[in-house]
Amino acid sequence: GENVEQHPSTLSVQEGDSAVIKCTYSDSASNYFPWYKQELGKRPQLIIDIRSNVGEKKDQRIAVTLNKTAKHFSLHITETQPEDSAVYFCAASKGHTGNQFYFGTGTSLTVIP
Amino acid sequence: DTGVSQDPRHKITKRGQNVTFRCDPISEHNRLYWYRQTLGQGPEFLTYFQNEAQLEKSRLLSDRFSAERPKGSFSTLEIQRTEQGDSAMYLCASSLEDNGYTFGSGTRLTVV
Repeated sequence: GENVEQHPSTLSVQEGDSAVIKCTYSDSASNYFPWYKQELGKRPQLIIDIRSNVGEKKDQRIAVTLNKTAKHFSLHITETQPEDSAVYFCAASKGHTGNQFYFGTGTSLTVIP
Repeated sequence: DTGVSQDPRHKITKRGQNVTFRCDPISEHNRLYWYRQTLGQGPEFLTYFQNEAQLEKSRLLSDRFSAERPKGSFSTLEIQRTEQGDSAMYLCASSLEDNGYTFGSGTRLTVV
């Protein structure tokens, strides 16, 4: 089965700085990679996703990059704000062949005002 | 609210009792998923339905767990003879084909 590893487990940045969270996956058949943000006591919310036919995707201050050869993908948040503080989860799936998501263990991001 | 709804939000039960949770997905979503999340961990897959068919079950889903999705609409997850190790957040999610999930707010189960 798929194994998704996520680093770091905790990350503190100053407001305005950038934050980078990295994930690796093991199954080369995985082709869909979403990122979820989960605030304390709330549901995970999809913030950005990328498919394996694309190397990079950007949405305002959030970007995701994918390196299929190395089997890793990263979340980049620029100009961080205190409201970005949350736990971020990466996931990998094979898309239409089952769509079961394999989640990483999460990164707790704290943005210091 | 047109999101994914889960009921109840919290459930405290005594060890050995049966519990049932309900999930109402986004109406046009044909796929429904159940995940379990423990503190400090990412969600772990339990099972998924496409319409009314249960297509995949995790080995985490022991014979004490059963899920149904009659008529391809809402779903129920039942845990029989609950154990303390079943204490977790049970998350339901739905999607339309291969798109990203929309999660519900979850049911937090505490087994005492």
